[in-house]
Amino acid sequence: GENVEQHPSTLSVQEGDSAVIKCTYSDSASNYFPWYKQELGKGPQLIIDIRSNVGEKKDQRIAVTLNKTAKHFSLHITETQPEDSAVYFCAASGGGGADGLTFGKGTHLIIQP
Amino acid sequence: GAGVSQSPSNKVTEKGKDVELRCDPISGHTALYWYRQSLGQGLEFLIYFQGNSAPDKSGLPSDRFSAERTGGSVSTLTIQRTQQEDSAVYLCASSFSGRKETQYFGPGTRLLVL
Repeated sequence: GENVEQHPSTLSVQEGDSAVIKCTYSDSASNYFPWYKQELGKGPQLIIDIRSNVGEKKDQRIAVTLNKTAKHFSLHITETQPEDSAVYFCAASGGGGADGLTFGKGTHLIIQP
Repeated sequence: GAGVSQSPSNKVTEKGKDVELRCDPISGHTALYWYRQSLGQGLEFLIYFQGNSAPDKSGLPSDRFSAERTGGSVSTLTIQRTQQEDSAVYLCASSFSGRKETQYFGPGTRLLVL
């Protein structure tokens, strides 16, 4: 089945700086890659997703890039703000197996004031 | 529109007791998932329902765990004879159809087994 590795597990950045979280996946047939943000005490919320027919997608301060050849995708957050502090999960799906979304283990993003 | 809802939001129980957790998916979503999230950990898949098909129970950690989905909508996750290691956040998600589509999560039920 699919295996998703996510790095780093913890990321601390100064407010206003950029943050980058990276994920790699194992199944070359995977074609859907969502990112979720989980704030303390809440369920994960979808923030952006990308499908394999595009290499990059942007939504205001958030962007996701996908490199299918290398089988990795990244989340980029620019001009970070305190409310960006949360745990972020990447996921991959659409591979040849019957499994649905396979999640990474999460990145705890800390925005330092 | 209404998102995925779960109840109760918090549950404290004693070791050995049974608990039931409820999930109301987004209206019209045919796929429903249960996950377990231990403190500071990722999402552990438990079970998946799709329409009237037999559920995928491959993620259930033991036979003390079971789930049902009545009428293709509301789902209940039952944990029998709870153990302290069952303490976790139990998350429910739904998607419009197939399991490879965007999943929308509920707020979770925080279970503490004393």
